[in-house]
Amino acid sequence: NAGVTQTPKFRILKIGQSMTLQCAQDMNHNYMYWYRQDPGMGLKLIYYSVGAGITDKGEVPNGYNVSRSTTEDFPLRLELAAPSQTSVYFCATLRGTSGVTEQYFGPGTRLTVT
Amino acid sequence: KNQVEQSPQSLIILEGKNCTLQCNYTVSPFSNLRWYKQDTGRGPVSLTIMTFSENTKSNGRYTATLDADTKQSSLHITASQLSDSASYICVVSGLTGGGNKLTFGTGTQLKVEL
Repeated sequence: NAGVTQTPKFRILKIGQSMTLQCAQDMNHNYMYWYRQDPGMGLKLIYYSVGAGITDKGEVPNGYNVSRSTTEDFPLRLELAAPSQTSVYFCATLRGTSGVTEQYFGPGTRLTVT
Repeated sequence: KNQVEQSPQSLIILEGKNCTLQCNYTVSPFSNLRWYKQDTGRGPVSLTIMTFSENTKSNGRYTATLDADTKQSSLHITASQLSDSASYICVVSGLTGGGNKLTFGTGTQLKVEL
């Protein structure tokens, strides 16, 4: 049981390049999230999904896109990378949909845009 | 606007000493409050989750308290160890907002020294 996995661990992009951050989970959780964490700041929600085929914007969605074709995978796409997207990106899942729910995070992807 | 504020921003203590971290929130309606531990370079890991009806919850040397009337929580660490050095994040879950109902604090950076 690998939990939540993210690839790559590190990446350096040039301004204007594109890339996809991968996130996979093997816990069969319906809810999945993408967050970014800037130094000294709290996690900010980029996009989330409540199940395969359903995605919705979070607090800071501009410059990103997501898709959720399967329960297991939730890739995050960066188009036309900008220095403001330099951050650490975390994928997470949520067990349960009501009451007390447990959230599980991946190890993160550290992205630098220069 | 839902907000979670944590104090202090950072804290240095000697190994073996106790410490208490604070969390104030304005999330309403309230569902539950979580404390996460985030080691450097890793994703957050859940320490405790408390619902409205719970006043205190322990996980080993970590004890969280919740006062839902004053919207305050604390995390008490007993007999600190070097491995407790990490960022501690308070997260409050609201009852509304579907998948977008978690509000993160910016964390308290704890350093435990010899």
